Amino acid sequence: DAKTTQPNSMESNEEEPVHLPCNHSTISGTDYIHWYRQLPSQGPEYVIHGLTSNVNNRMASLAIAEDRKSSTLILHRATLRDAAVYYCILYSGGGADGLTFGKGTHLIIQP
Amino acid sequence: GAGVSQSPSNKVTEKGKDVELRCDPISGHTALYWYRQSLGQGLEFLIYFQGNSAPDKSGLPSDRFSAERTGGSVSTLTIQRTQQEDSAVYLCASSLGSAGGYGYTFGSGTRLTVV
Repeated sequence: DAKTTQPNSMESNEEEPVHLPCNHSTISGTDYIHWYRQLPSQGPEYVIHGLTSNVNNRMASLAIAEDRKSSTLILHRATLRDAAVYYCILYSGGGADGLTFGKGTHLIIQP
Repeated sequence: GAGVSQSPSNKVTEKGKDVELRCDPISGHTALYWYRQSLGQGLEFLIYFQGNSAPDKSGLPSDRFSAERTGGSVSTLTIQRTQQEDSAVYLCASSLGSAGGYGYTFGSGTRLTVV
C-alpha cells in the first residue's frame, strides 16, 4: 500500500510559486518526510526533508501540517529547469521499506 | 569527488554475458542503495547496505544478481548471464546514515543495454 498520495501531474507558469501537495495520513512518529525530484534523463535529486517543523533551504520550502498527515513542497519561483517528477517519501530508516519511490507528481512548467 | 560516482555511464552487452556496475559513494557515507529504473518506469529497489550490517537483498530479482560493498565504501552490482529484460538504468544512492534525518545523494546511473 502506498504510504503517500500525490497528484499525478501539475502545471504552473514560469516565475510563479508552485505548491506540490502530499498526503500521508498513516505517518508514524519516526517517519521523516523526504522530497526528491527527477529531471528528464537524470538520477533523482534530494530536495528537502523535515520531521515536524517547516523547513527552508536554497531549493525549496517544506510546509508540514500540524497533525503531520499532509505536507506541501513549495517552489517559490518556478523556472523551466524545475520541470521534473517530484516524489514525496516517508522515511524512517533504510532497507526495502526505506526510501521507496511511488509515481510522484509530474510538474510541467509553462514559459 | 563531491558526489556519488557510477561507472560505466553506459554499457552495451550481449545476452548471456556477465556485467559489473560500480558505485563510489560519497566519502564517509555508510548507507547505500541500488535501484534500477526501466524506461518510463519508477525506481525499483534492489539492495541496501548500511555500515557493516548484513545487506537487505530482498529486492534482487533473481539469483543472477548480486552485490557487494568492500570496506564499507565502493559497491559493485554484478549481473550474471544477462537477459534483455535486465536493460535499464541502474542507480546508486548514498547517505551519511540510515536514520530518517539524512538525505540521499544519487549518482547519474549506469544505462545497461542487453542486445
